[in-house]
This record gives sequence, structure tokens and C-alpha cells, in this order.
Amino acid sequence: LAKTTQPISMDSYEGQEVNITCSHNNIATNDYITWYQQFPSQGPRFIIQGYKTKVTNEVASLFIPADRKSSTLSLPRVSLSDTAVYYCLVDSLNQAGTALIFGKGTTLSVSS
Amino acid sequence: EPEVTQTPSHQVTQMGQEVILRCVPISNHLYFYWYRQILGQKVEFLVSFYNNEISEKSEIFDDQFSVERPDGSNFTLKIRSTKLEDSAMYFCASRDGGSSGRKLDEQFFGPGTRLTVL
Repeated sequence: LAKTTQPISMDSYEGQEVNITCSHNNIATNDYITWYQQFPSQGPRFIIQGYKTKVTNEVASLFIPADRKSSTLSLPRVSLSDTAVYYCLVDSLNQAGTALIFGKGTTLSVSS
Repeated sequence: EPEVTQTPSHQVTQMGQEVILRCVPISNHLYFYWYRQILGQKVEFLVSFYNNEISEKSEIFDDQFSVERPDGSNFTLKIRSTKLEDSAMYFCASRDGGSSGRKLDEQFFGPGTRLTVL
């Protein structure tokens, strides 16, 4: 599976939009980009997944350029409760049983 | 909303003792996983399970570890002889795996069991 690289940490204030960019230069044709969120002492939680272009749900948007070598998770108007670790992962369609390989993620700190 | 449950939430044991961590995956899911997270570190994959057998395991999952699906609902992780370095949060996850088309299913994680080895 393709390796991902993302910033170790980010700081923001309540009400701001936060964009976390992830690079995955070696992404394969059958790979999807998936983002998970983890609060302290809790299990990771799925946020959003995409293959190309833009995906939006009630929580976030995911922007994927045409070459798919990077992706950007966008969190609109963050609140204090969005303080968490955000993980960018690639997940292969052909291997549904394959484990998720987590990196260190991006620790987002939201202040008032 | 269906969820993955894990018991106990916290397990304290003496080094060398056997522990069994229990998980109830989401009903009708086909793929099951165990991960662990040592305090302050990243989430690490241990093992995946499908069709009543291990489908993949990491280097961490050595002979001291085993998994079992003893009935139609439970999925267990056994550590035969615990070591101090086994102290971590252990997360169970499950995935539907039955979706057609090109969309992947997300993995649903349980709340974790905090294992403390003394």
C-alpha cells in the first residue's frame, strides 16, 4: 500500500476552516483515500473516503486532484470538539480484508 | 446505530499471565481485525480474520497471540503469556466487506480495552 505523509500537528481557532493535506505519491489505481479521526482513549472513527475529485459529507470535504498523488481534508468551521488526531490512509479495493496501516497522523488542536 | 463492543474496558494482569480480550463485531460483518496502540504511539495492526481463519498478520502477532471466533458473535484475542511491553490499548474492528461496486467499506472500531501488565 502507498505510504502517506501528513503534517505532524496543526493549530486552529474555533470557527475557522482547517485543511490538512496528505501526500501519497505511490498511490495505485485500485487505492482509495480514507481519513479517520481519533479522540484520546477512543478507537479511530471513519470520516470520509474518496477516489478522485471532491467528496463531501456532513462532517468534511475531501479534495483529490487529478493525479491523485495528494489529498486535502477540509473541516469547515471547526469547534473545540474537533481537537483530535486525523489519519490519512490508502485502502485497496482489491483487498477488502487488508489491514489499515496508520501513520502518526496530524494532531489538530483547536483553541477558543 | 450498530457498533463494535469490547470487554473489559480495562484489564490489569501480572506479567506471564494469560489474558483474553473480547469483542462483539457488528452483526453481518465479514472481516474482523485487532489493532493495538501503545500510549503516545500510532495504531498498529495485529491481525485480520475472515471466513474463520487468519487472513493477514503483522510481525507483532507472534506465537503468544491467537484469535478465535468461538461463536457467531464474539471475536477474541488471547495473549498467552503477557509481557510488560504488551501494555497498550487494544482495538477490535470489523468491516462489512460485502459491498458491491467500487466503494470500500469503512472499518468500525470498538472503544478499546486498556491492558496494563504489571
